[in-house]
Amino acid sequence: AQSVTQLGSHVSVSEGALVLLRCNYSSSVPPYLFWYVQYPNQGLQLLLKYTSAATLVKGINGFEAEFKKSETSFHLTKPSAHMSDAAEYFCAVSGAGTASKLTFGTGTRLQVTL
Amino acid sequence: NAGVTQTPKFQVLKTGQSMTLQCAQDMNHNSMYWYRQDPGMGLRLIYYSASEGTTDKGEVPNGYNVSRLNKREFSLRLESAAPSQTSVYFCASSVSSGRLSSSYEQYFGPGTRLTVT
Repeated sequence: AQSVTQLGSHVSVSEGALVLLRCNYSSSVPPYLFWYVQYPNQGLQLLLKYTSAATLVKGINGFEAEFKKSETSFHLTKPSAHMSDAAEYFCAVSGAGTASKLTFGTGTRLQVTL
Repeated sequence: NAGVTQTPKFQVLKTGQSMTLQCAQDMNHNSMYWYRQDPGMGLRLIYYSASEGTTDKGEVPNGYNVSRLNKREFSLRLESAAPSQTSVYFCASSVSSGRLSSSYEQYFGPGTRLTVT
């Protein structure tokens, strides 16, 4: 069984400030972890993924995430927020199996203010 | 290369009506998935198809049926729609083959917004 907890359903930052979106996971097998972004009225787009090759993962649009096994965390960060980063962000985990079934967190809506 | 396409984009049904949501992918992916998205609940897996010819239940399968028509197409059917099925439905696909199948990301369609009155 696996699960994901995203702390904070809404996060607001000023443009240029650090973005930190939190994700903690639970998995009975070594996990694969993903961050997706959803812009209004669109589908989900992959930001980055962790597949055990490196604990610090760089993604698109300047985002990165660090896998910390001891803390069961996979927090998403970006050094400087841009207005275009306003969206909903989902953390997801998949475990072993013949298909990459994802278990999603409930999402964090990021608001970026001037 | 259109990726994952879904039809229709919007649909309004009355309670008890039936409908089929269509999904197709042109990436030669093995696995396909249907999710529903509800406010505050993230995305929840309804059904998935690990490969052509197989389908399996996900977290919330009740009230739905699926058909993997061929490698490209995966449809979701609501036999008797209920207001609780008002949601946004997403189809996704992934390569998912071999030992590292779970490591492959999913590619999502644009969604179908369904309202059941």
